[in-house]
Amino acid sequence: QLQLQESGPGLVKPSETLSLTCTVSGGSISSSSYYWGWIRQPPGKGLEWIGTIYFSGSTYYNPSLKSRVTISVDTSKNQFSLKVTSVTAADTAVYFCARLPYDFWSGTYQGGMDVWGQGTTVTVSS
Amino acid sequence: DIVMTQSPDSLAVSLGERATINCKSSQSVLYKSNNKKYLAWYQQKPGQPPKLLIYWASTRESGVPDRFSGSGSGTDFTLTISSLQAEDVAVYYCQQYYSTPLTFGGGTKVEIK
Repeated sequence: QLQLQESGPGLVKPSETLSLTCTVSGGSISSSSYYWGWIRQPPGKGLEWIGTIYFSGSTYYNPSLKSRVTISVDTSKNQFSLKVTSVTAADTAVYFCARLPYDFWSGTYQGGMDVWGQGTTVTVSS
Repeated sequence: DIVMTQSPDSLAVSLGERATINCKSSQSVLYKSNNKKYLAWYQQKPGQPPKLLIYWASTRESGVPDRFSGSGSGTDFTLTISSLQAEDVAVYYCQQYYSTPLTFGGGTKVEIK
């Protein structure tokens, strides 16, 4: 059974860089049938898509965060990672990683995010 | 960007009664080449990640009870819980995967009356 697990510091200082890793177990991140994504949820608020990555390294980012976000993949470790630079209190949130079914030939997602990590809370504070 | 608007923000329904949640997209999420609607519904309980309930607007994810159903056109969608159970208390989100940026509705909180 596929599982995703987020890891990283729970506290980040303003203006610094937030770094998180999602470890995939029970399956391969190198499958051509999936993109892998990051989603965040500020306290008491809704869900915001941050970006997604394919095993090849192809990425898509939310334009609202694009200038500060980098998502990368390490297929040898079955992991993908998120970096958000110049963080402020507005970046305080629960950060989730998730799997997105994808059809390579049509270039479209094939359903919703079907497997999620439990989420990790990141607080931006000095 | 496709804006997803959910209504109501919250609703209280008696046990065993029907709950209906609406979701409207600012542009069509119907992909004409395959006639599929790129719309998903999630359930999120406190302290948990979202759980995928429905995709392609009306296809239930494996293991999801059949009291959950989805319907809709290219821009207007509905999630229906036919007979509300205590374990259905949660926040429900719609999400479009037609184009990036992927976007979610603001959520609808379902409670017991």
